[in-house]
Amino acid sequence: AQSVTQPDIHITVSEGASLELRCNYSYGATPYLFWYVQSPGQGLQLLLKYFSGDTLVQGIKGFEAEFKRSQSSFNLRKPSVHWSDAAEYFCAVGGSYIPTFGRGTSLIVHP
Amino acid sequence: ETGVTQTPRHLVMGMTNKKSLKCEQHLGHNAMYWYKQSAKKPLELMFVYSLEERVENNSVPSRFSPECPNSSHLFLHLHTLQPEDSALYLCASSQDVRNEQFFGPGTRLTVL
Repeated sequence: AQSVTQPDIHITVSEGASLELRCNYSYGATPYLFWYVQSPGQGLQLLLKYFSGDTLVQGIKGFEAEFKRSQSSFNLRKPSVHWSDAAEYFCAVGGSYIPTFGRGTSLIVHP
Repeated sequence: ETGVTQTPRHLVMGMTNKKSLKCEQHLGHNAMYWYKQSAKKPLELMFVYSLEERVENNSVPSRFSPECPNSSHLFLHLHTLQPEDSALYLCASSQDVRNEQFFGPGTRLTVL
């Protein structure tokens, strides 16, 4: 069975600071991995995805994520956070069937 | 533009009402989904349709009834709902069930 854990419910950063959101997964083979962002009252938007190949994946809005098989992780990073990045972030894992979503991490950005 | 539209965006209904949520995707996808998102709870997958056949029904109460008349349209028919059914209902589509999903903006449902 596949599962995904986002250990942090909330993360607070200052504008301009770097960001790393953690995602750990459980999957028996090479997973498909996704990060989504949700602004208040909106649907989820895909930031980036990993299916195979280069383990460092570039996404939209300046985000990137690195697949580390040895750590079963797919952490999301951004070098400099903007106030507009405040949102809910979801990691998802799949591969052979419908992806499973994590519980989400709420990002708060202080000016 | 996500390519997935949902109507209505907001809905208030009494417990004895019958209403329907509509979702339409303009992406040529083969799979469509309904999710429920409540405050402080994880995203809950309700129903999945692939090539217009229901492939997943995650123990959803019968007061929620999905319908997928073609690959571009998905409905969620609601009747005799409970206040705890108040939530954001999200529709999504994907090329197939393994791939990334494209979400609509959601319908904010309030049951009085």
